Amino acid sequence: DTGVSQDPRHKITKRGQNVTFRCDPISEHNRLYWYRQTLGQGPEFLTYFQNEAQLEKSRLLSDRFSAERPKGSFSTLEIQRTEQGDSAMYLCASSLATSASTDTQYFGPGTRLTVL
Amino acid sequence: QQPVQSPQAVILREGEDAVINCSSSKALYSVHWYRQKHGEAPVFLMILLKGGEQKGHEKISASFNEKKQQSSLYLTASQLSYSGTYFCGRQGGSNYKLTFGKGTLLTVNP
Repeated sequence: DTGVSQDPRHKITKRGQNVTFRCDPISEHNRLYWYRQTLGQGPEFLTYFQNEAQLEKSRLLSDRFSAERPKGSFSTLEIQRTEQGDSAMYLCASSLATSASTDTQYFGPGTRLTVL
Repeated sequence: QQPVQSPQAVILREGEDAVINCSSSKALYSVHWYRQKHGEAPVFLMILLKGGEQKGHEKISASFNEKKQQSSLYLTASQLSYSGTYFCGRQGGSNYKLTFGKGTLLTVNP
């Protein structure tokens, strides 16, 4: 089990550019979450998928943000027309949904985005 | 609404004990505890479900008081490796997303 992986680990971009991040969850995990973390704060929920279906999106996720999980495996998070306020660590987590009503979310190492 | 953690920071000497509290104004279905070291991913420690359950992980244990909407994390005989920021995450009912507190920075010195 190789854990959750994210690519790239670091991304520096200029304001107005588009960026895309990738997350590969733990094999066979059917739930995938995206969170954003800024300095001194806990992770903030952005969106989550069960298999390929996007089931919830936070109000934090403006129209410039879009996420996909095309075949229920890896996921991508795209930010269009980046702004300096988008600078943050973007964390992905995955879990295995069972009949239990809660699940353990395992986090990846994150992608640190810096918008200049 | 995010849970409130206290204290914000604590400094210990190796071998000392600490308690980190997590309170929520919204109903708690389960509480998830994580530890994050600088520049790394949050690492899962334990989940507590409503019902006053107490769980343990090595010398780290936690309790969940549903009535008070509060969870506490107990670190016993702290080790240098315990240093990091501890986050509690609230999960409400069938909503699987986690809402995290701002974290408690724990520093363990030799």
